[in-house]
Amino acid sequence: NFMLTQPHSVSESPGKTVTISCTRSSGSIASNYVQWYQQRPGSSPTTVIYEDNQRPSGVPDRFSGSIDSSSNSASLTISGLKTEDEADYYCQSYDSSNHGGVFGGGTKLTVL
Amino acid sequence: EVQLVESGGGLVQPGGSLRLSCAASGFTFSSYWMHWVRQAPGKGLVWVSRINSDGSSTSYADSVKGRFTISRDNAKNTLYLQMNSLRAEDTAVYYCARVRRVDFDYWGQGTLVTVSS
Repeated sequence: NFMLTQPHSVSESPGKTVTISCTRSSGSIASNYVQWYQQRPGSSPTTVIYEDNQRPSGVPDRFSGSIDSSSNSASLTISGLKTEDEADYYCQSYDSSNHGGVFGGGTKLTVL
Repeated sequence: EVQLVESGGGLVQPGGSLRLSCAASGFTFSSYWMHWVRQAPGKGLVWVSRINSDGSSTSYADSVKGRFTISRDNAKNTLYLQMNSLRAEDTAVYYCARVRRVDFDYWGQGTLVTVSS
């Protein structure tokens, strides 16, 4: 088993760029794809990045994902921040031993 | 249109049982692995359980192993979560979610389970 650790919160101004990290506690970050979900208050999560760096249709190219084996972490970068980006963001990967999901603790993004 | 609609949540006493259902429509349910994910009030997402497409393989988070059972009826396009020996810490919104390849591409609206005396 492994854990995914995210910062509790980040904040940035409209128009700027923010990066949210997700660090895997054990095992290689590259061994299982990482996904990122956006959850607005009162709503179900939606995918903004899947398979480390792929965007579902309808997600603007302001959202990008990457992994870094040297830090064993994944990152979600949002450029040209808009107030509508304010939400909770969760990283997620898989535990190969049981095909179970593993979620990070979530990061609250404030755009102020 | 893909739809996942959970039901069966409610208030239950500690030690009690509840069965959640997730009715699927708009896609070939029998072709997809399905998961349950929960979210305690004001807290983050936590994976609970998953089942493969034909129901022959399941797995559980350690926190629910031995108490919860995931199952599916592909003829009825419905996913289930039988929850026994419920504890206060099981209080959460429970979501069912479809897995596309590795991501949860569709989620239900969630059903609230409250465990309290």
